[in-house]
Amino acid sequence: QKEVEQDPGPLSVPEGAIVSLNCTYSNSAFQYFMWYRQYSRKGPELLMYTYSSGNKEDGRFTAQVDKSSKYISLFIRDSQPSDSATYLCAMIDTGFQKLVFGTGTRLLVSP
Amino acid sequence: EPEVTQTPSHQVTQMGQEVILRCVPISNHLYFYWYRQILGQKVEFLVSFYNNEISEKSEIFDDQFSVERPDGSNFTLKIRSTKLEDSAMYFCASRDRGVGGELFFGEGSRLTVL
Repeated sequence: QKEVEQDPGPLSVPEGAIVSLNCTYSNSAFQYFMWYRQYSRKGPELLMYTYSSGNKEDGRFTAQVDKSSKYISLFIRDSQPSDSATYLCAMIDTGFQKLVFGTGTRLLVSP
Repeated sequence: EPEVTQTPSHQVTQMGQEVILRCVPISNHLYFYWYRQILGQKVEFLVSFYNNEISEKSEIFDDQFSVERPDGSNFTLKIRSTKLEDSAMYFCASRDRGVGGELFFGEGSRLTVL
């Protein structure tokens, strides 16, 4: 079983839709959870950072962590064509040595 | 806004040649990382570096790889004898503290080995 599982997509939605992106993980030691956005041939850009279970909102983005289910989500409201990118979930344990990434989900928002 | 900068943005080299990729982490950060991403694949951890020594490395980071912080600002990744399969994007990242610090990435250096 992979440490972090993420559907690679692509996920195609019309502009204005609510987007839900998800990851599951197997390592119960993961405590810090991040979402990165990556445009083609660019570096990962940190979008959201959460610690343990709960929700965090930042503008159109909401990150949700459910540690009991080992499941994290990123919601994007009022999606825009500029949101078209690959979204990477990433997580790290309390040892904080290395960030483990999912494969990324490619999102396409059409005008 | 502070950022991680990487040079070169793209390097083409012949198999067997040595390559050095350079990074300038964010100035007050203490923990440094190299990751790589082969085209179409996931971002993979290579090595972490703290207090002038490697703190963890992956199985990818074999004897052909080395890292160095030659001065107070640069952080380098050296590949001694490049192989075709080393072709990838290499990302440098840094964070400011041991627990709870967010990891910020540079734009990457694309390495093409011919």
